[in-house]
Amino acid sequence: AQKITQTQPGMFVQEKEAVTLDCTYDTSDQSYGLFWYKQPSSGEMIFLIYQGSYDEQNATEGRYSLNFQKARKSANLVISASQLGDSAMYFCAMRELGRGAQKLVFGQGTRLTINP
Amino acid sequence: NAGVTQTPKFQVLKTGQSMTLQCAQDMNHNSMYWYRQDPGMGLRLIYYSASEGTTDKGEVPNGYNVSRLNKREFSLRLESAAPSQTSVYFCASSEYSGANVLTFGAGSRLTVL
Repeated sequence: AQKITQTQPGMFVQEKEAVTLDCTYDTSDQSYGLFWYKQPSSGEMIFLIYQGSYDEQNATEGRYSLNFQKARKSANLVISASQLGDSAMYFCAMRELGRGAQKLVFGQGTRLTINP
Repeated sequence: NAGVTQTPKFQVLKTGQSMTLQCAQDMNHNSMYWYRQDPGMGLRLIYYSASEGTTDKGEVPNGYNVSRLNKREFSLRLESAAPSQTSVYFCASSEYSGANVLTFGAGSRLTVL
């Protein structure tokens, strides 16, 4: 079974600084996908970024980038120039193959707080 | 664009009562999912439906049943609610191709007394 580990329960960062949220994963599959979702205090789940296991380049989406180190089985999220609105829970997830569907397995999350 | 719509948003039940959470998506997605999120934890998969007419158990299916009514709708039923089922429930959908990004509903907060 696949497993996602997020070892930082909470992080505090000053506004405008860059922040790295850690994620390690465990899988025996050769083909897999890694995702990051943001959950603000309002509760909705917002997709941020995706990295496929065969993608040679690290994924980037605006201020978000995914630092993918396949040999170390890590998929850290980097947020550049943090903003107050980045304060939220962040979840790392991995795509797992199921019967006819691709399911997501989630880590426990990291609560990020941006201080002014 | 409504995306994924869940109802109700809030519900309080007494132990032993039953209820159904409704979910509908308007993105023509094949796959649909029900997750639960307990305080301070990530999401855990309850049931999923790869396509219309199929359903499968996820990580925590005990105490729940699901129905994939049609391509748009996927309901979650609690037959005899227990306090351990107090949680926030999320419905999601995805297209079975490419990255398979899940689109989530806003969540339904359920309290079982």
